[in-house]
Amino acid sequence: DIQLTQSPSIISASEGDRVIITCRASQDISRYLAWYHQRPGQAPKLLLYMGSSVRREVPSRFSGSGSGTEFTLTITGLLPEDFGTYYCQQVKDYPRTCSFAQGTKVDVK
Amino acid sequence: EVQLVESGGGLFKPGESLRLSCAASGFPFNRRTMNWVRQSPERGLEWVAYISPSSVYIHYADSVMGRATISRDASLQSLYLDMTGLRDEDTGTYYCARDWGNGDLDLWGRGTLVAVSS
Repeated sequence: DIQLTQSPSIISASEGDRVIITCRASQDISRYLAWYHQRPGQAPKLLLYMGSSVRREVPSRFSGSGSGTEFTLTITGLLPEDFGTYYCQQVKDYPRTCSFAQGTKVDVK
Repeated sequence: EVQLVESGGGLFKPGESLRLSCAASGFPFNRRTMNWVRQSPERGLEWVAYISPSSVYIHYADSVMGRATISRDASLQSLYLDMTGLRDEDTGTYYCARDWGNGDLDLWGRGTLVAVSS
């Protein structure tokens, strides 16, 4: 099974900061990676797919890069609504299986 | 309004069975692939099951294989998850989620909480 590892587990940041989250896969997943944001008490929200494609309704301060086994999510100019937990998800073998990483919590410094 | 609304959660004893439901509205449900995903502090986000629009293709996570059945009813615009032989580790919030394309889940319900404890 493909394992995903995010780092760091927690980021303490301030409004306006640039935040970078890394997601590593245990094997080559090409660009079959999505990113989600979850606020407390809410369901995850899809931000990016195929590693770097930003959903139409997602602000341009979110960007993604990477392929193979290493990916990054960058938030340029953190806003209050961006706090919460971010998850990467690999879909290389979907629909037979897919998996999520353990998440990165972005909280207030 | 485009939404998914789950129901059927509650407190269950190990070994019992449950049926979770997900009511879809505001989009062509019958043309969309659907999934169940669960979340717990111990296991994080965990994909559970997949069903194609016509129900021809179905897949399950290893953790629920043999105990879970995903199904859908086109006339009721509803998705279901039946689980038997519940275990403590089945505890969590269960979400139904729409597949936008190749597993990218673009619409989620608010979730229904399942607690399994003796």
